[in-house]
Amino acid sequence: DAGITQSPRHKVTETGTPVTLRCHQTENHRYMYWYRQDPGHGLRLIHYSYGVKDTDKGEVSDGYSVSRSKTEDFLLTLESATSSQTSVYFCATSGEGGEQFFGPGTRLTVL
Amino acid sequence: GENVEQHPSTLSVQEGDSAVIKCTYSDSASNYFPWYKQELGKRPQLIIDIRSNVGEKKDQRIAVTLNKTAKHFSLHITETQPEDSAVYFCAASSSLTGTASKLTFGTGTRLQVTL
Repeated sequence: DAGITQSPRHKVTETGTPVTLRCHQTENHRYMYWYRQDPGHGLRLIHYSYGVKDTDKGEVSDGYSVSRSKTEDFLLTLESATSSQTSVYFCATSGEGGEQFFGPGTRLTVL
Repeated sequence: GENVEQHPSTLSVQEGDSAVIKCTYSDSASNYFPWYKQELGKRPQLIIDIRSNVGEKKDQRIAVTLNKTAKHFSLHITETQPEDSAVYFCAASSSLTGTASKLTFGTGTRLQVTL
């Protein structure tokens, strides 16, 4: 579990403000993912990365952007937060075998 | 895109009984099917997975079966214990080994094991 960390763990922000969530891994995994978890929806993929500077959209990417400047870090940015983006955000990583392992999550509240 | 349906949404069993959770998927190209357990306020934890070249996989009290023709897979927990109480998620992916594994999740099953 210590191999994947997320920061911050909790954040309250106001509508219209920018927010950046960070995922850090020490697993040296090539692939990283951002999911959001909402009641009744399970986990939904926002964006993913298949290498440094290589990213692609997932199922619910509108309103989100990502960046990956080094293997260890994957950033998720909400350019202008909205109340519909209130959620729990999970980062995950996987190696060549495909098994995904999750970080502890960030609870984001947009007022 | 892929669509994964999961049933039931809630399941209550007595300690020692078996629990079965079922999922169906829509994309016939899906070839990887993991199951995650999530305790309240915690991260999802991978408990077992199966690939499309295998029909069944077992790990102690947990087993997963896959029917590619019918496009459904199931999680079986035997001799349930109170610590099995959690939310369980199934997922599906059509990724190849060595590529990103874009998972589509079911909506979860809340399992409660009563004494």
